[in-house]
Amino acid sequence: AQSVSQHNHHVILSEAASLELGCNYSYGGTVNLFWYVQYPGQHLQLLLKYFSGDPLVKGIKGFEAEFIKSKFSFNLRKPSVQWSDTAEYFCAVNSGGYQKVTFGTGTKLQVIP
Amino acid sequence: DAGVIQSPRHEVTEMGQEVTLRCKPISGHNSLFWYRQTMMRGLELLIYFNNNVPIDDSGMPEDRFSAKMPNASFSTLKIQPSEPRDSAVYFCASTGAKPNQPQHFGDGTRLSIL
Repeated sequence: AQSVSQHNHHVILSEAASLELGCNYSYGGTVNLFWYVQYPGQHLQLLLKYFSGDPLVKGIKGFEAEFIKSKFSFNLRKPSVQWSDTAEYFCAVNSGGYQKVTFGTGTKLQVIP
Repeated sequence: DAGVIQSPRHEVTEMGQEVTLRCKPISGHNSLFWYRQTMMRGLELLIYFNNNVPIDDSGMPEDRFSAKMPNASFSTLKIQPSEPRDSAVYFCASTGAKPNQPQHFGDGTRLSIL
């Protein structure tokens, strides 16, 4: 069975600091990887996704993620965070051909002005 | 384009009452998912349907929970009888038939059982 680990549960950063949120998955086959963001009081929205090709994926709002197959990782990065990035971030995986997605436990990001 | 539509947005009811949550997926999507989100347990998949057929209901907590999808444009999640520990935000999501599609989430129903 596939699983997703997000090791950072709560991250606090000052504005303009760089961000990296860790995500590791366990599944040996072909995977599709996603990062979702949930702003306070809102639903989950897709930030970016990786299916194949360039392992460095660029998403909305300046976020990017790098798929490193050998490390089973898909870390989320942003060079300079803003207060408006305060949200909860979820990494998710599904194996190719299946629509069921497994979500990580989420990382709450708090950006201090 | 209309996204996933959930109703009601908020529900407050007393324990023992029946609660019905509703979801309309995005038109043309063929898979529908019900999730529950709490502070303690995070985001949990309760059940998902493919082409209106329940595929995996292993996340449904107990027999008090039931879900139906009578047609491609409507699904319900019912709790009977409700208990205070059912208080949570319930999200519905849908995804399209093509491979590798992300899930689109509704705004959720915030359920409080007193």
